[in-house]
Amino acid sequence: AQKVTQAQTEISVVEKEDVTLDCVYETRDTTYYLFWYKQPPSGELVFLIRRNSFDEQNEISGRYSWNFQKSTSSFNFTITASQVVDSAVYFCALRLSGGSYIPTFGRGTSLIVHP
Amino acid sequence: DSGVTQTPKHLITATGQRVTLRCSPRSGDLSVYWYQQSLDQGLQFLIQYYNGEERAKGNILERFSAQQFPDLHSELNLSSLELGDSALYFCASSASQGYGYTFGSGTRLTVV
Repeated sequence: AQKVTQAQTEISVVEKEDVTLDCVYETRDTTYYLFWYKQPPSGELVFLIRRNSFDEQNEISGRYSWNFQKSTSSFNFTITASQVVDSAVYFCALRLSGGSYIPTFGRGTSLIVHP
Repeated sequence: DSGVTQTPKHLITATGQRVTLRCSPRSGDLSVYWYQQSLDQGLQFLIQYYNGEERAKGNILERFSAQQFPDLHSELNLSSLELGDSALYFCASSASQGYGYTFGSGTRLTVV
């Protein structure tokens, strides 16, 4: 069975600080997909990124970057120069390539960015 | 707007009652997934439908049921409601077998 662990329950930073949200996953499969979602205070879940297990290239999108390392089963998310609007709960998820295709979510990390 | 529509946005009801939550998937998406998000349990997968057929079941209570109609919209029925059923219920859709998931804005259910 697959598992996603987001050990950081809550992170508090001051605006303009860089922050990294950790995600560690467990699976015996060699082919899988990893996701990050953002849940702002308004409640909706917003898709941020999808990465398949064969693509270990890091990705950067504006102030967001993702570091995927199969060797440590981690898919960490870094926000550079954080802003108050980044305050949200961030979820990491894992979906296997076969089977039921149901993504398993971590418990989420609540990020609070203070002005 | 994600393209996935959930109604109602908020629902307050009494214990023992029955409610129906509705989800319209993004245009062209055949799969619908239901999740329950509560403070102590995180995001829990309930059930998946693909093109009208039940495809996978998670930790869904027997008091809960769902269906997907020919027009692909889905309904989640919650009956004999208990205080512990208070949660945010999300619907997500995907075009194929889970290459990407688009979530609706959720229905916040409060059981009093």
